[in-house]
Amino acid sequence: GAGVSQSPRYKVTKRGQDVALRCDPISGHVSLYWYRQALGQGPEFLTYFNYEAQQDKSGLPNDRFSAERPEGSISTLTIQRTEQRDSAMYRCASTPGYEQFFGPGTRLTVL
Amino acid sequence: AQSVTQLDSQVPVFEEAPVELRCNYSSSVSVYLFWYVQYPNQGLQLLLKYLSGSTLVESINGFEAEFNKSQTSFHLRKPSVHISDTAEYFCAVSSARQLTFGSGTQLTVLP
Repeated sequence: GAGVSQSPRYKVTKRGQDVALRCDPISGHVSLYWYRQALGQGPEFLTYFNYEAQQDKSGLPNDRFSAERPEGSISTLTIQRTEQRDSAMYRCASTPGYEQFFGPGTRLTVL
Repeated sequence: AQSVTQLDSQVPVFEEAPVELRCNYSSSVSVYLFWYVQYPNQGLQLLLKYLSGSTLVESINGFEAEFNKSQTSFHLRKPSVHISDTAEYFCAVSSARQLTFGSGTQLTVLP
């Protein structure tokens, strides 16, 4: 397909486990963004990449969160030692400029 | 720093009635403004955007928004809503790549 894809769409994990969330952007889009959306709130910025370079990670809540985009295309957001407060919708977006195109999101539930 | 305030969390309206969803922002620099829509069980979709030029922007499905710099507002309007417009609407501002979202307005169109 031509849109942004994310996998898995749903992830249920136990507290303390590590999870990896994947984002496959639109082909050719230079920039890739990660957001987190709590229930009843708007998405909040986590981090973004231009090509493979992480330009801003100021939104990552703590050092359990990390992201990479090693070849400038697919990106992985990793959460180590998950906690219940990490439960949220994680959204990825890619853009060739100012308009961001969002994927369907990954719903993470930490039990 | 920038922020977005969506004054109404829930807006119920009858079919074919007009609607206005309010959005105010604060930023110390020039911004780009966006409205995104999230239909039930779907991802975020761009509805319309203001980058420059005419302060009145329109979407293909009858929504419009007007950028008012003096009032720092970007309210979304539609003269006659349909049942299919039921969704959550997010206002967002961007000045340096990342988007800052409001908390969203749930528009419910009643028959």
